[in-house]
Amino acid sequence: EAGVAQSPRYKIIEKRQSVAFWCNPISGHATLYWYQQILGQGPKLLIQFQNNGVVDDSQLPKDRFSAERLKGVDSTLKIQPAKLEDSAVYLCASSSGTPQETQYFGPGTRLLVL
Amino acid sequence: SQQGEEDPQALSIQEGENATMNCSYKTSINNLQWYRQNSGRGLVHLILIRSNEREKHSGRLRVTLDTSKKSSSLLITASRAADTASYFCATRLIQGAQKLVFGQGTRLTINP
Repeated sequence: EAGVAQSPRYKIIEKRQSVAFWCNPISGHATLYWYQQILGQGPKLLIQFQNNGVVDDSQLPKDRFSAERLKGVDSTLKIQPAKLEDSAVYLCASSSGTPQETQYFGPGTRLLVL
Repeated sequence: SQQGEEDPQALSIQEGENATMNCSYKTSINNLQWYRQNSGRGLVHLILIRSNEREKHSGRLRVTLDTSKKSSSLLITASRAADTASYFCATRLIQGAQKLVFGQGTRLTINP
């Protein structure tokens, strides 16, 4: 079974530029998550989708971050404009949908904002 | 503030020794999970323990949960160099969207 795919793996941009990350979850997984992991910290949930609807985006900085999950499969996370403090690893995860299920994580996208 | 906090923040032991990491949390949970993260890689799920369970085993891993003290521990027995990684506890909240909240992690180093 293929795992969660993410691209790109690395991205370097200058502040105020825009950037987008892509995630393809495990086939059949209804729930998709985006996490931000700053160096030395644990992952922080940014947004959770159930199919193509948003379940939780309470920690998403909506003035600059946006995410969508068209057709309930792939998802993109966008930052516009980026700030220095956005430098982090952005992890995508998916699960089969029930709240008790474990999550399967992708390799992440490492973003450096200069 | 973080729901879960791991202790210690860093742990260095000799290969073959046992490693114990602790996690404390603040609010009621549905379950608690432990994840491992190797350098530069995504997280890998290790074990899940439900709120009505007290102990669980998986290979060389042993997890305990004390809901009265809101704490959990992860024991890795007979450690190997390949166990070198960061270990995170994550709590599944009961309220709201039942999201998974991660702690800061314990950095474990196994010395050969």
